[in-house]
Amino acid sequence: EDKVVQSPLSLVVHEGDTVTLNCSYEVTNFRSLLWYKQEKKAPTFLFMLTSSGIEKKSGRLSSILDKKELFSILNITATQTGDSAIYLCAVIQGGSEKLVFGKGMKLTVNP
Amino acid sequence: SQTIHQWPATLVQPVGSPLSLECTVEGTSNPNLYWYRQAAGRGLQLLFYSVGIGQISSEVPQNLSASRPQDRQFILSSKKLLLSDSGFYLCAWTYGGARDTQYFGPGTRLTVL
Repeated sequence: EDKVVQSPLSLVVHEGDTVTLNCSYEVTNFRSLLWYKQEKKAPTFLFMLTSSGIEKKSGRLSSILDKKELFSILNITATQTGDSAIYLCAVIQGGSEKLVFGKGMKLTVNP
Repeated sequence: SQTIHQWPATLVQPVGSPLSLECTVEGTSNPNLYWYRQAAGRGLQLLFYSVGIGQISSEVPQNLSASRPQDRQFILSSKKLLLSDSGFYLCAWTYGGARDTQYFGPGTRLTVL
């Protein structure tokens, strides 16, 4: 059965800290991995990763994929209270129209 | 630009009552459409997806159903709600060459009492 596991499930940090979120997966015929940020309502898209070793970057957020070890990390540097959210990881198989989501990781950034 | 709408935003319904949630997408054609439910501590659960008008794939057997009467309209229904149907319902879509990236609507929070 395909699965996506995120760790840790929750994390509390102080503003300015750097955090690393982990996502491991077991999916046959892997095609892409996606990261989303969910605040109060709908998840918003952050990154899509398809190739190993190529870092995607957007401001203080960056992400990289390791297709050999079957995991991805999402890094947030110099965290701010606005980074507090649930971060979701999802993967999609080749030939599929469906995303398989992890349970999410709740990040709390305290001032 | 593309936008996705869901309504209602919140809903409180008694057990045994019917349900109809609507999702519409603007600014694109022939999108893939998805219904998810998010319950506390359980992550996003895919309920249904559709690759075209009248084409519905069900992922979870339950008392819910979905329909796609028009290209950019996706409806989630139930004839009789259960307590376990409470949750946050999200509609999502993908388009064109970026079919892997799903974009989510604002969601409907359903409470069944």
